[in-house]
Amino acid sequence: GESVGLHLPTLSVQEGDNSIINCAYSNSASDYFIWYKQESGKGPQFIIDIRSNMDKRQGQRVTVLLNKTVKHLSLQIAATQPGDSAVYFCAEMVGAQKLVFGQGTRLTINP
Amino acid sequence: DGGITQSPKYLFRKEGQNVTLSCEQNLNHDAMYWYRQDPGQGLRLIYYSQIVNDFQKGDIAEGYSVSREKKESFPLTVTSAQKNPTAFYLCASSTGTTQETQYFGPGTRLLVL
Repeated sequence: GESVGLHLPTLSVQEGDNSIINCAYSNSASDYFIWYKQESGKGPQFIIDIRSNMDKRQGQRVTVLLNKTVKHLSLQIAATQPGDSAVYFCAEMVGAQKLVFGQGTRLTINP
Repeated sequence: DGGITQSPKYLFRKEGQNVTLSCEQNLNHDAMYWYRQDPGQGLRLIYYSQIVNDFQKGDIAEGYSVSREKKESFPLTVTSAQKNPTAFYLCASSTGTTQETQYFGPGTRLLVL
């Protein structure tokens, strides 16, 4: 069922440290995954994606890891900055174009 | 300046009233989507359209309607049948090919008076 309220999983990290945000997905047939960043009151912003034929993909300061055996995704952010504070969502593509979103994780950066 | 625009940023609905949210894109994308986001939760798909004059229901289509008369426009109407319309509404678009990213607009927050 759905959770009600604002009880997002949260992660607090020190500025400059690395952040790791985890996500479990539900459908073993999903073959495309996206991480989005959402700042308060704004639409989700694309960060990085990965296809199921890969287990790792790197971008600028971000890395996504995919473990299909346990249906797990992670987003690693290197040298976390204050501007990284946001809610991070993973999304899996089910079928040709339907995205299913996770609940999200709120990342807070401590100075 | 390419992208997806949504208007208005805030919208107030009275009881029994239908309201329409606008979504426009100039990315030449074939596919467009509407999502609903409730506080502290992920996005849920309302409707999507892969081509002009065609659209499909998502997971929570009841109480909503859409049209796709032009490639660049995909308006969403929240009807009086939607009993809990207060939410953040997000429009997205993609090229429409398999395994392609969806890009989002800035959102419209709908509140009930």
